[in-house]
Amino acid sequence: GEDVEQSLFLSVREGDSSVINCTYTDSSSTYLYWYKQEPGAGLQLLTYIFSNMDMKQDQRLTVLLNKKDKHLSLRIADTQTGDSAIYFCAENNSGGYQKVTFGTGTKLQVIP
Amino acid sequence: GAVVSQHPSRVICKSGTSVKIECRSLDFQATTMFWYRQFPKQSLMLMATSNEGSKATYEQGVEKDKFLINHASLTLSTLTVTSAHPEDSSFYICSASRGGSLDTQYFGPGTRLTVL
Repeated sequence: GEDVEQSLFLSVREGDSSVINCTYTDSSSTYLYWYKQEPGAGLQLLTYIFSNMDMKQDQRLTVLLNKKDKHLSLRIADTQTGDSAIYFCAENNSGGYQKVTFGTGTKLQVIP
Repeated sequence: GAVVSQHPSRVICKSGTSVKIECRSLDFQATTMFWYRQFPKQSLMLMATSNEGSKATYEQGVEKDKFLINHASLTLSTLTVTSAHPEDSSFYICSASRGGSLDTQYFGPGTRLTVL
């Protein structure tokens, strides 16, 4: 089956850049997503990238996609304490009903 | 746009009772809704996918008689946990999409279920 892996934890200082990495196995992925989950809350869609793109930038967020290596990353510039949360990458398998497989989640801790 | 709500946000119930969780798309019509379960410090596990007016498609290992899903309208899906037991305690999250094979899912805020 499809697999999406992330490192479990990342700690950065406020003002630094954060880079959260994700690897996936399904080569037929069409969309790849980054979601943010704050404690006790649902998931907030941060950004997504279509599989034929290499990069997408949206304000402080930069998504890089290396389709050959099946590697996705999310860079958060000027990380703030409000960015502390769990970040999930996810891929949309093209196997009907928009089934999305989520990664294991990376907990980002921002140190003031 | 694309706001999804869930009700209740938290529920505590006794073992053996049934609990209904509602998922609503507030400002769009959701052709497809999804129900996920999230264990503490873990990722989301897809339980089932439902299309309006059709029976839900359950993922392998999810008991359809235990987790009843109804998607009666384009803005409402319900998940009923029947005869709940402590092991059913979890965070249940729904998502909704407008439709189309690759449409983005918008997530509800989740429901924390605790079964005593």
